[in-house]
Amino acid sequence: DAGVIQSPRHEVTEMGQEVTLRCKPISGHNSLFWYRQTMMRGLELLIYFNNNVPIDDSGMPEDRFSAKMPNASFSTLKIQPSEPRDSAVYFCASSLVINQPQHFGDGTRLSIL
Amino acid sequence: EDQVTQSPEALRLQEGESSSLNCSYTVSGLRGLFWYRQDPGKGPEFLFTLYSAGEEKEKERLKATLTKKESFLHITAPKPEDSATYLCAVQAVMEGNQFYFGTGTSLTVIP
Repeated sequence: DAGVIQSPRHEVTEMGQEVTLRCKPISGHNSLFWYRQTMMRGLELLIYFNNNVPIDDSGMPEDRFSAKMPNASFSTLKIQPSEPRDSAVYFCASSLVINQPQHFGDGTRLSIL
Repeated sequence: EDQVTQSPEALRLQEGESSSLNCSYTVSGLRGLFWYRQDPGKGPEFLFTLYSAGEEKEKERLKATLTKKESFLHITAPKPEDSATYLCAVQAVMEGNQFYFGTGTSLTVIP
């Protein structure tokens, strides 16, 4: 079975540019999560969806960050405009229901110059 | 304030030398505690879920236990392939089902 698929795996862009990260959850999973991982702060939950509806976005750092889930098989995390401090590894995860174990993709390593 | 604290930050073991990793948490109303393994360049891989104090789960050389305020991941006779970062996460009932991850324990097993 295919796991969670994220694209791109690596992204390098200049400060001020728009960045879009993509995620395809495991088929049949109803909950989707976006995380950011840095050495200093570890894994931080940014936002999560249940049945395609955003439930809690309190972890989104600023208005420059936005996330959408237009259907059950696709989600995006957008940063506009990007800043160097946004450099991190961004993970998407999905679970069958909200309190079940999450299955992670391999992440997008984002570098903002 | 920190919701989840893992210790030690790093651990080096000789092959076959058993030890334990600790995860302590301060959230009220625990819905579940999760252990993950993360290899370099990869996403976390699910290991165990524990839901109530006294519960234990085992998988190969790993055993996870849970009390009211902490969890332990016991590693028995580790092998070099057990080298990874082990992450603990808790889901809190009172904070709207929020998930909090610890910063992990980096385990190195030396042949």
